[in-house]
Formats: sequence, C-alpha cells, structure tokens
Amino acid sequence: KAGVTQTPRYLIKTRGQQVTLSCSPISGHRSVSWYQQTPGQGLQFLFEYFSETQRNKGNFPGRFSGRQFSNSRSEMNVSTLELGDSALYLCASSTQDGTDTQYFGPGTRLTVL
Amino acid sequence: GQQVMQIPQYQHVQEGEDFTTYCNSSTTLSNIQWYKQRPGGHPVFLIQLVKSGEVKKQKRLTFQFGEAKKNSSLHITATQTTDVGTYFCAGKRMDSNYQLIWGAGTKLIIKP
Repeated sequence: KAGVTQTPRYLIKTRGQQVTLSCSPISGHRSVSWYQQTPGQGLQFLFEYFSETQRNKGNFPGRFSGRQFSNSRSEMNVSTLELGDSALYLCASSTQDGTDTQYFGPGTRLTVL
Repeated sequence: GQQVMQIPQYQHVQEGEDFTTYCNSSTTLSNIQWYKQRPGGHPVFLIQLVKSGEVKKQKRLTFQFGEAKKNSSLHITATQTTDVGTYFCAGKRMDSNYQLIWGAGTKLIIKP
C-alpha cells in the first residue's frame, strides 16, 4: 500500500498570505489528523477529520482550518500567515479514529518570511 | 488539562550505553503508543501497550505500561547509532474523544 502523501513538501510564504496544504491518506483509512511541529515543541494537535466531519480540534486560532473530501483526502488552510506559523505540518491517517495507530506523511515544511 | 509529561527532554549517551524515557499521565489511559522520529523524518509507530503492567520487547527495546495505566517507559539496551532520534509517547484517554495526548518527546543523542 502506498503511504501517506503530502503536498507540497516545502513552501515559502510571506506574512499575511494564506496557504493550503494537502494530504492523501493510506487507502482505506478514514481518519486524518493534522499536527504542527516546531523545534522543541513536540507535536501539537490541530484537528482530526473522519467522513468529512471535523471530530476534534486542538487549541489553535481560527486562522487554521481544514476539510476532508469524500475520498478521505484532506486539506488544511492557514490564513493571514504569521512568522510563528513557520513549522513542519504533519498529516497522519488511521483506520477509524485519531486514537488508532497514526501513519504519518513526510510533512510540509512551511517557512513564513 | 489532560497532558502526558515525558522526561527527559534530551539524553546524551555513549554508544553502547542504555537509554530510558518516561511518560506520566495525569489521568488513566486506555492505551499508550510509542513513536520514533529520526532526524529530518516523520514519526513512525513502534508499539502499542494496552494492558495494565504490560511489558513488550522489540529486540533491544523494552516497553512497559504501569499497573495504574498512568505511566509508561521505553528502555533501549546498548544503544547504537541507528537509535538516534526523538521518541514520543501518545496516550488514549479512557473517555476517548478521538484525540491522542502526546508527550513532548525525548531526543536521544549519541556522543561522538
């Protein structure tokens, strides 16, 4: 089975812009979770989607949003980018819910200038 | 709020020495998972522990889940350069709301 894929792998944006990141889960996986990882901050949970519904959301401002499509692919959007949004954004898929084994993609490295 | 404390943040060892990381939860967990992230890579699932007092081994790695299901540890015997990376624990709350609670990770560094 192909693994989790994320596009793009690298992105450079400027403050105030918006960005959309994409994640394709492992075939058959219905749950997609998004995480932000910054140096020394571990994995910060953003949100989890299942069957096109957001089931859980972490403690992030409303500038961070996401959605899931009927084929389980997911996108996350960050509007009005700030310097502090520079991070590695990881997507993880699992079979049924966000507490199952997480299969991570390679991540999208976002740099905000 | 719900959290999992993971210590230490960093551990420097000589190759061949042992390494241990600990996770402690403020609440009882239904299970705990361990992940490894190599430098420049993404987290990769290692193992899941479910039962109280459970001990599992993978070659030189030994994983334990406490009797009260609030703490867990990962012990690596005789570290090798391939063990370098950050080890994360992630717990599932008993009243699962579809979200894992992640530890901050322990970075294993092999001294040259």
